[in-house]
Amino acid sequence: DVKVTQSSRYLVKRTGEKVFLECVQDMDHENMFWYRQDPGLGLRLIYFSYDVKMKEKGDIPEGYSVSREKKERFSLILESASTNQTSMYLCASSFGGRGVDEQFFGPGTRLTVL
Amino acid sequence: ILNVEQSPQSLHVQEGDSTNFTCSFPSSNFYALHWYRWETAKSPEALFVMTLNGDEKKKGRISATLNTKEGYSYLYIKGSQPEDSATYLCASPTDSWGKLQFGAGTQVVVTP
Repeated sequence: DVKVTQSSRYLVKRTGEKVFLECVQDMDHENMFWYRQDPGLGLRLIYFSYDVKMKEKGDIPEGYSVSREKKERFSLILESASTNQTSMYLCASSFGGRGVDEQFFGPGTRLTVL
Repeated sequence: ILNVEQSPQSLHVQEGDSTNFTCSFPSSNFYALHWYRWETAKSPEALFVMTLNGDEKKKGRISATLNTKEGYSYLYIKGSQPEDSATYLCASPTDSWGKLQFGAGTQVVVTP
């Protein structure tokens, strides 16, 4: 059974803290994605990676960075958490980069920044 | 700005009734149209990935159609059941790398 896992389901952090969200996939997928989901706005792409150590900004990269040292792991980093980063964060992966491959999602991390 | 739009935002359906809702997307530089189902407390799951104009796909009581020339897709649920309650997301790749732009979703609530 294919799987994308995320390190935490719920996380509470304080303003200014450095936050790491981890995502691991076991499908040997090339592409990995980080999204955030806010009510009424749909899923918005923060960053994606199409290969190890390769990354590209999505639609809302400000305040975030990513790391992909191994193919199966894609980390999202909030350098200095702020209250407007309170959101649901979803990781996803897909086989290739042609746009026709379905994405497999993790269960999400609901982050609250106080 | 969402170029992928879904309507309605939410709908309530009686068990046994059929329903449908819409996704509109830019028809230029079309790669594919994705539909996902997102149930509460679960991960979004792919229902369909559609690529050809006129394509129709079916999974159980759920089906979808695609019109790439006018830029819309319909999702149909026949004989809705409470387990169909979910948010249904559509998405379209913005480039050949597979970066998806998602609509805001249609939340479906099926009441017994």
